[in-house]
Amino acid sequence: QVQLVESGGGVVQPGRSLRLSCAASGFTFSRYAIHWVRQAPGKGLEWVTLISYDGNNKYYADSVKGRFIISRDNSKNTLYLQMNSLRAEDTAVYYCANLATNPDYWGQGTLVTVSS
Amino acid sequence: DVVLTQSPLSLPVTLGQPASISCRSSQSLVDSDGNTYLNWFQQRPGQSPRRLIYKVSNRDSGVPDRFSGSGSGTDFTLKISRVEAEDVGVYYCMQSTHLGTFGQGTKVEIK
Repeated sequence: QVQLVESGGGVVQPGRSLRLSCAASGFTFSRYAIHWVRQAPGKGLEWVTLISYDGNNKYYADSVKGRFIISRDNSKNTLYLQMNSLRAEDTAVYYCANLATNPDYWGQGTLVTVSS
Repeated sequence: DVVLTQSPLSLPVTLGQPASISCRSSQSLVDSDGNTYLNWFQQRPGQSPRRLIYKVSNRDSGVPDRFSGSGSGTDFTLKISRVEAEDVGVYYCMQSTHLGTFGQGTKVEIK
């Protein structure tokens, strides 16, 4: 069955970096654009970034532009999110999501806590 | 940037009764390809979100037909014809015409 499994979350100090991964299985990963969406504790959903199926096109929310980098390795069926210069307001559960299929597919999320 | 404004933000409903959520965009969501990329998502307590409706009015596979979407341009609506207990959760509109933006969310609870 289709699975998206995020990993790499944890506690990190402000200003430091963290890399998240999203391992995909059960579908042809290389055919689809994939999103990262985050949710701060007790808050709503925030769209973060999107990468095209081939990795050639990347789009970012203003709140993370210049700090976060999305990438993918289609040979490994894996999506990445490199998060640099982290701030307290980046604290959230980060989801990867395939919204290009019907139905859509989401991971269970990985929690990133930015705190000193 | 596109801003999506949902109303109401809290919606107490009686089981079996209809419910309606509005989503208004700060700019037109009609894409240059003629499509309108307005989606509706449901997030049940403790779960990841799932999409219910894509491109305004198309139900995702497995979504009960009591859910329907409508609208055009900047004004959109999600309707639940008869609310069931499993519909409790937070509902979000999301546009992907201009990158991506979510509405603030509408919490649906049973009276």
